[in-house]
Amino acid sequence: EIVMTQSPATLSVSPGERATLSCRASQSISSDLAWYQQKPGQAPRLLMFGASTRAAGTPARFIGGGSGTEFTLTISSLQSEDFAVYSCQQYKNWPLTFGGGTKVEIK
Amino acid sequence: VQLLESGGGLIQPGGSLRLSCVASGFSLTTYPMSWVRQAPGKGLERVAGISDDGGTTFYADSVQGRFIISRDIFKSTLYLEMNSLRDEDTARYYCAKNRPIHSGLLFDSWGQGTLVTVAS
Repeated sequence: EIVMTQSPATLSVSPGERATLSCRASQSISSDLAWYQQKPGQAPRLLMFGASTRAAGTPARFIGGGSGTEFTLTISSLQSEDFAVYSCQQYKNWPLTFGGGTKVEIK
Repeated sequence: VQLLESGGGLIQPGGSLRLSCVASGFSLTTYPMSWVRQAPGKGLERVAGISDDGGTTFYADSVQGRFIISRDIFKSTLYLEMNSLRDEDTARYYCAKNRPIHSGLLFDSWGQGTLVTVAS
């Protein structure tokens, strides 16, 4: 099973600032990585796949990068609606696995 | 696409529950489906899945032999039968529609979830 590790667990950022989240895979997953956003009291939403391809409706300020075992999600200028928990998921190997999540909170 | 889960609640250890997920806006015969849970303070875990043709099912090791995923295509409803429940099964359970990609799956639509609490 591929273990996905996200860091940091919590990221405190001021509105308008940039946030960079990390996701590491225990073995290479090429670019078979997705990101999900989950706001309080809401269901997760697919944000990005293929490590860097935005899903429908994802704003351009969300930028995904990386390949192999190291990945990042950058939010270039945080808006109030971006404060949420972000989870990564690999779909290279079975079973499909998720990271533990990074909570982006208001500083 | 809409997914609406129900059936959660408080249950004693060793008990059983059946979760339901009514799907609208698409057919269960067109896409694979999954149940994903999130325990308090923990990450997401895919616990069960079923293929678009219904012929293949998946279970996480943590629930293998205790949970059963099934569907009724005429009612457009996905089910998760949970038996021999344990404290560690306490979580919010989400129904999710999958989209095949490369050799894996994305979770491209989610329900709001239903809360299962296992406690005496």
